[in-house]
Amino acid sequence: EAQVTQNPRYLITVTGKKLTVTCSQNMNHEYMSWYRQDPGLGLRQIYYSMNVEVTDKGDVPEGYKVSRKEKRNFPLILESPSPNQTSLYFCASSLTRDRGLMSYEQYFGPGTRLTVT
Amino acid sequence: KQEVTQIPAALSVPEGENLVLNCSFTDSAIYNLQWFRQDPGKGLTSLLLIQSSQREQTSGRLNASLDKSSGRSTLYIAASQPGDSATYLCAVRPPYNQGGKLIFGQGTELSVKP
Repeated sequence: EAQVTQNPRYLITVTGKKLTVTCSQNMNHEYMSWYRQDPGLGLRQIYYSMNVEVTDKGDVPEGYKVSRKEKRNFPLILESPSPNQTSLYFCASSLTRDRGLMSYEQYFGPGTRLTVT
Repeated sequence: KQEVTQIPAALSVPEGENLVLNCSFTDSAIYNLQWFRQDPGKGLTSLLLIQSSQREQTSGRLNASLDKSSGRSTLYIAASQPGDSATYLCAVRPPYNQGGKLIFGQGTELSVKP
């Protein structure tokens, strides 16, 4: 089944304790992104990657890091989490190329609800 | 700066009714527009993707239209069912390439009553 998976789905942690949220896709997508969803602010892109070893900042990158060492994985790292990073996080992927045709339909993971106390 | 607006924010209808959800965007320079469904506490499920050169897309009881020049898209749901209750999000992909970045509206929360 084509999907984007994230782990963990729920996480409660304390300020300053480093954590990693994993993301993996099995659709051979080139593009991957992280978004956060907050009430009243909607979904905002944190970081994105256009291919292996190619990453860049989105709209709200402060306090986050990412890496893309393999095409299928795109972990989100919070080196020193703070309470304002309490949010619902989504990983997304897109872009397949098939015999010259490109599809940009974006697929989202199930979300990770993070609480930082 | 591209902004996406969805009206109404919430909608409640009786089962069986046909309904229209609206999405507007301020900059007509878009690469594509995608409609999603989000169930409470869950991820986003892609419903329909409309390329900028297309006028509409259909999938089952869903039909999405796109009028780029006026900055509007509508999602038409025929014969609504209680299982359609969810939040519907529209998102546009800007023409610049930022890893497939989407700019989202705030969503319309739909409730279909039996």
